[in-house]
Amino acid sequence: QSALTQPASVSGSPGQSITISCTGTSNDVGGYNYVSWFQQHPGKAPKLMIYDVSNRPSGVPDRFSGSKSGNTASLTISGLQAEDEADYYCSSYTSSITLVFGGGTKLTVL
Amino acid sequence: EVQLLESGGGLVQPGGSLRLSCAASGFPFSNYAMSWVRQAPGKGLEWVSTISGSASSTYYADSVKGRFTISRDNSKNTLYLQMNSLRVEDTAVYYCAKGLLRYQDYWGQGTLVTVSS
Repeated sequence: QSALTQPASVSGSPGQSITISCTGTSNDVGGYNYVSWFQQHPGKAPKLMIYDVSNRPSGVPDRFSGSKSGNTASLTISGLQAEDEADYYCSSYTSSITLVFGGGTKLTVL
Repeated sequence: EVQLLESGGGLVQPGGSLRLSCAASGFPFSNYAMSWVRQAPGKGLEWVSTISGSASSTYYADSVKGRFTISRDNSKNTLYLQMNSLRVEDTAVYYCAKGLLRYQDYWGQGTLVTVSS
């Protein structure tokens, strides 16, 4: 199972919006509405930010939103804040009854 | 409050074995699937294994199938990962996480496994 494809890095200024893409295949992202997004600060455990494509767990700001079109899922962060600077990973359930992660995207807040 | 505390990591030689534990609290442990996810130094996340709440179903990544065994003791609220025939490429921080393949909503702080001679 190949990793999902994410851009290595994205950047934006405070207050701006950014979008991180996550591309898979019809056997994972495109085949199921089971895409998640995780935020990871250096030296910390990952934190669930979005599940089932577009749902936010309790406590996650509504500045974070998720969507999907075909084999590509996206995470959008609006109103960028300094504390949003982190690594972001997508994941998807697969037809092989496994889980696959993306390679990760480093978000820099300029 | 959900808490997950991993233990058992350390330095092991190639070909050796190690058993990781994850002590859970703050939720009805037996009602939830649990997973192990690892992260090699400076690398991304890699799913390792998932076990159902009743332990009746287990799932493994191809990279560890046949070498690692996931299990749980619901009477002790503890998740395990038995790792045999360890390889240098198994070196990583191992996280336990609450949740099934669909998503994992709580993660422990991780335990470092180093495979080196």
